Amino acid sequence: EVQLVESGGGLIQPGGSLRLSCAASGFTFSGHWLHWVRQSPGKGLVWVSRINGDGSSTSYADSVKGRFTISRDNAESTLYLQMNTLRVEDTAVYFCTRSFSYSRRYFDLWGRGTLVTVSS
Amino acid sequence: DIQMTQSPSTLSATVGDRVTITCRASQSIHNWLAWYQQKPGKAPKLLIYKASYLQSGVPSRFSGSGSGTEFTLTISSLQPDDFATYYCQQYDDYSFGQGTKLDVK
Repeated sequence: EVQLVESGGGLIQPGGSLRLSCAASGFTFSGHWLHWVRQSPGKGLVWVSRINGDGSSTSYADSVKGRFTISRDNAESTLYLQMNTLRVEDTAVYFCTRSFSYSRRYFDLWGRGTLVTVSS
Repeated sequence: DIQMTQSPSTLSATVGDRVTITCRASQSIHNWLAWYQQKPGKAPKLLIYKASYLQSGVPSRFSGSGSGTEFTLTISSLQPDDFATYYCQQYDDYSFGQGTKLDVK
C-alpha cells in the first residue's frame, strides 16, 4: 500500500527538542521530494520544510529556519524532522507529504499526521 | 513570499448547489496552483493540480480554472460528502490560502 506514516509527536516543554519520523512504503522513495506541513489547532495549513530526492537540497519556512532540520534516509525510506528550541507556537499536527520536482511540486500523498504539543 | 487569499472564508450551501471558491495570488504563479479538501481530523486530499487538472480518482463534479493570479474551484452539484474545508496552494514556494469552510445551509 502506498502510504506515509508519521510518528514521534508528543508533549514537550518550551525550549525542548523532538524528532519526528515519517515512514514511507509502496513507492520509490528516492524519486520524490518530501515535505512537512503543519496545522495548529483550528487553523490552516502551513508549509514547514522540504527536501529533495537525494537529500542534497533543503528549504525552510522563516518561522522555523535555524531551529528545525529536515533529513531523509533513502535506504530506510524514512523522512525526519529534528525540532529544537521549540516554542508554544510550534504546537500543531505535523503532516508528512510528498511531491515530484520542478513543475509537479503539488502534494499528492499525505500521512495522517502526528500531534506536537509545546506547553509547560 | 507569495500570498494566497481565498474567498469566501465560509460558504453555506445545500446538496445539489453549484459552488465556487476563489483564490488570488499576490503575483503570477505559472498556473502552479493546487486545491485540497480536508475533513475534520483527517489529512488533506489533493483534488486539482496545475490549476485545472483533476487528480486521479476525484469525482468529475470538481473542476478548477484560472490563470496568472486568479483561480477558482467549482463543485457542479454539491454532494453530502463534499462538506469540508478547501485550501488552495501555490507550489512555487508552497504557501496555502487560509481555507474555505463549506457547511450545510
